Amino acid sequence: QVQLVESGGGAVQPGGSLRLSCAASGFTFSNYIMHWVRQAPGKGLEWVAVIYEDGGIIHYADSVKGRFTIARDNSEKTLYLQMNSLRAEDTALYFCAKDLGSSSWHALDYWGQGTLVTVSS
Amino acid sequence: EIVLTQSPATLSLSPGERATLSCRASQSARSYLIWYQQKPGQAPRLLIYDASTRATGIPARFSGSGSGTDFSLTISSLEPEDFAVYYCQQRSSWPITFGQGTRLEIK
Repeated sequence: QVQLVESGGGAVQPGGSLRLSCAASGFTFSNYIMHWVRQAPGKGLEWVAVIYEDGGIIHYADSVKGRFTIARDNSEKTLYLQMNSLRAEDTALYFCAKDLGSSSWHALDYWGQGTLVTVSS
Repeated sequence: EIVLTQSPATLSLSPGERATLSCRASQSARSYLIWYQQKPGQAPRLLIYDASTRATGIPARFSGSGSGTDFSLTISSLEPEDFAVYYCQQRSSWPITFGQGTRLEIK
């Protein structure tokens, strides 16, 4: 069965950095586009970034462009999100999500349980 | 950027009733509209993709319709487990965007 397990969240001061990881299992990781989506406490969903199967195509939300970097290691079946210059408004639960693929590119059919990032002084 | 506006913000209904949730796009999303369900403390669950196709394992009481700028999610007869928050998402153009959500609560 598909499993996505995020880690790396925690408390950090404004301007600091964190690296999130998402360990994937139960599917052929290298064959799928992967996403990061976040949810501020009590708020709705916000798409953050996407990386295509071989890492050759990447897109970011404007709110994180230039500060966050998405990456993947297909040999380790792991997705990453490097977050720099963190701001209070980046405080959220960060989900990694698997793309549905050719049936409907960029529909998200499996999600992890999320890792919480808190940015506060 | 395509802005998605969901209505109503909150919908209060009883089990057995029919629920209709709306998602309106600021510009055409073609048929590339997706619906998710999220329960407290859980990750979102994919319900419907490409406006009207049910995802694997989703009960037939869930249906989606629409194209262009106006979309709807219908739950034909509410079960107790259907009370949750529902989000729409578009995949028509970058960036991917979500609506703000509709909370479906028990009346």
